[in-house]
Amino acid sequence: EAGVTQFPSHSVIEKGQTVTLRCDPISGHDNLYWYRRVMGKEIKFLLHFVKESKQDESGMPNNRFLAERTGGTYSTLKVQPAELEDSGVYFCASSQRQKGPREQFFGPGTRLTVL
Amino acid sequence: AQSVTQPDIHITVSEGASLELRCNYSYGATPYLFWYVQSPGQGLQLLLKYFSGDTLVQGIKGFEAEFKRSQSSFNLRKPSVHWSDAAEYFCAVGLYTGTASKLTFGTGTRLQVTL
Repeated sequence: EAGVTQFPSHSVIEKGQTVTLRCDPISGHDNLYWYRRVMGKEIKFLLHFVKESKQDESGMPNNRFLAERTGGTYSTLKVQPAELEDSGVYFCASSQRQKGPREQFFGPGTRLTVL
Repeated sequence: AQSVTQPDIHITVSEGASLELRCNYSYGATPYLFWYVQSPGQGLQLLLKYFSGDTLVQGIKGFEAEFKRSQSSFNLRKPSVHWSDAAEYFCAVGLYTGTASKLTFGTGTRLQVTL
């Protein structure tokens, strides 16, 4: 079974440009999450999809970030326009849809550098 | 709000020595606790989890963790460290309310293993 995949693995852009990150969850996983780790700090929750619906986007830093999950399969996270403080590693995770606590399976992350 | 503290940013141990990584959490209800590991170039891999029951939890790669409610701790241990254990380790607490779920992570502990 394929794990969570993320593309690209690295992205270097200039301030003001747009970047789109992609996440493919494990097949059949309705829950999809985005997290971010800014250098030296903890991994922070950004948002949670259940299928194509945004269940919780309380962690999204501002309106420069737009997440979508059309069709309830893969998800994209767009940053427009990118700022220096957006640099970090963006992780995607997925889990099965079930009541109560459940394991989240993480992808390798996308390292974003904004110059 | 829940929080996780990993007081040790960096730990160095000799191969074959025992290991204990500390994790303290703050959470108002019964915590759901996780330890993840990130090896270089890899995603976050779940080592073990505690949801309920026996407070001593066994995980993969010979790791174990003990949940101590009185101390709000969930320390990770391994009796004999291997060079391949060099990685960054993250403790996390899970929040689950209805269909919403997310993880709150500590800042991570980087483990270096000397030969």
